[in-house]
Amino acid sequence: DAGVIQSPRHEVTEMGQEVTLRCKPISGHNSLFWYRQTMMRGLELLIYFNNNVPIDDSGMPEDRFSAKMPNASFSTLKIQPSEPRDSAVYFCATGTSGKNEQFFGPGTRLTVL
Amino acid sequence: AQSVTQLGSHVSVSEGALVLLRCNYSSSVPPYLFWYVQYPNQGLQLLLKYTSAATLVKGINGFEAEFKKSETSFHLTKPSAHMSDAAEYFCAVSPQGGSEKLVFGKGTKLTVNP
Repeated sequence: DAGVIQSPRHEVTEMGQEVTLRCKPISGHNSLFWYRQTMMRGLELLIYFNNNVPIDDSGMPEDRFSAKMPNASFSTLKIQPSEPRDSAVYFCATGTSGKNEQFFGPGTRLTVL
Repeated sequence: AQSVTQLGSHVSVSEGALVLLRCNYSSSVPPYLFWYVQYPNQGLQLLLKYTSAATLVKGINGFEAEFKKSETSFHLTKPSAHMSDAAEYFCAVSPQGGSEKLVFGKGTKLTVNP
């Protein structure tokens, strides 16, 4: 079975550019989570969706970050404009309501120069 | 509100020795508790979870953890460390019957020496 799929796996961009990270959840999962991991701050939850609806976006750092889930098979996390301090590994995780267990994708390593 | 404290950001053991990674939690309601492992350049993988059934939970790769309500702890153990256990381990908590959000600890990096 395919796990959570994230693309790209690596992204290097320059400050000010728009960055879009993509996630395809495990089929049948109805919860989706976006995390950011850095050495300084550890693993932070940015936003999570349930049945394609954003439930909690309190972790989104600022207006430069936005996330969408247009359907059950796809989600995006966009940063516009990007800044060097956004450099991190971004993980998508998915799960099934009521089970609280999350399955993580391999992550996207973002470097903003 | 829920929180997790992992004691020791780095733990080093010899191959064949006992592994003990500590996790204490705080929760205003009965919790679900999880241990995840992260190998270099990979995502997190679930090792085991406590969901209010047995207090001693067995997971993959020979790991187990015991839920102790009186101590608010959920320590992870493995009787004999293997080189392949070298990784970072994260404890996480979420409320039973509540939000699906997981609150993660800051992680413990395990080094296994030959």
